[in-house]
Amino acid sequence: DIQMTQSPSSLSASVGDRVTITCQASQDISNYLNWYQQKPGKAPKLLIYDASNLDTGVPSRFSGGGSGTDFTFTISSLQPEDIATYYCQQYDNLRPLFTFGPGTKVDIK
Amino acid sequence: QVQLVESGGGVVQPGRSLRLSCAASGFTFSSFAMHWVRQAPGKGPEWVAAISHDGSNQYFPDSLRGRFTISRDNSKNTLFLHMNSLRAEDTAVYYCAKPANYGDEYIQLWGQGTLVTVSS
Repeated sequence: DIQMTQSPSSLSASVGDRVTITCQASQDISNYLNWYQQKPGKAPKLLIYDASNLDTGVPSRFSGGGSGTDFTFTISSLQPEDIATYYCQQYDNLRPLFTFGPGTKVDIK
Repeated sequence: QVQLVESGGGVVQPGRSLRLSCAASGFTFSSFAMHWVRQAPGKGPEWVAAISHDGSNQYFPDSLRGRFTISRDNSKNTLFLHMNSLRAEDTAVYYCAKPANYGDEYIQLWGQGTLVTVSS
């Protein structure tokens, strides 16, 4: 099975900072990579699908990129409401199988 | 608006069974595949199961196949997860989730979850 890793596991940044999270797959997954935001006590929320497409209503300060095995998730200007844990998730349509990364916790400095 | 309301969680002894339900509203339930995803305390989400829109196909990760089954009643807009031979490591919040309109592989909308605790 495909394994997903994320780095860093946590970060602390100031309001307005640019924040980047990386996600790596153990083998080529093309662009079958989604990003989720989870705030404390809440269910995850889909932000980005197919590596770079924003889901409906997601602010444009969020973006994603990459393909193959290496992916990035960026918040261009960190806002207080962005405090959350962010997960990447790959999907294999052929099986199907969905695998989440271990998460990156984002805090305000 | 779309609502997914899970129920059936609670404390259960190891080795016992439990059935979770998810009541769906605000969309044409019978037109969508559905998913169950769980999250153990302090851990990331783990996909548990999926079922096709008409219930004819069910999908599981290898680690859960044989112990968990998924079913649905489209006449009642309800999704089910049947869990057998429960273990301590099955302790988690269980979410039902609806895919995006643009594809069943995009787990878009989640319920509030129901907590299952496996403990003697």
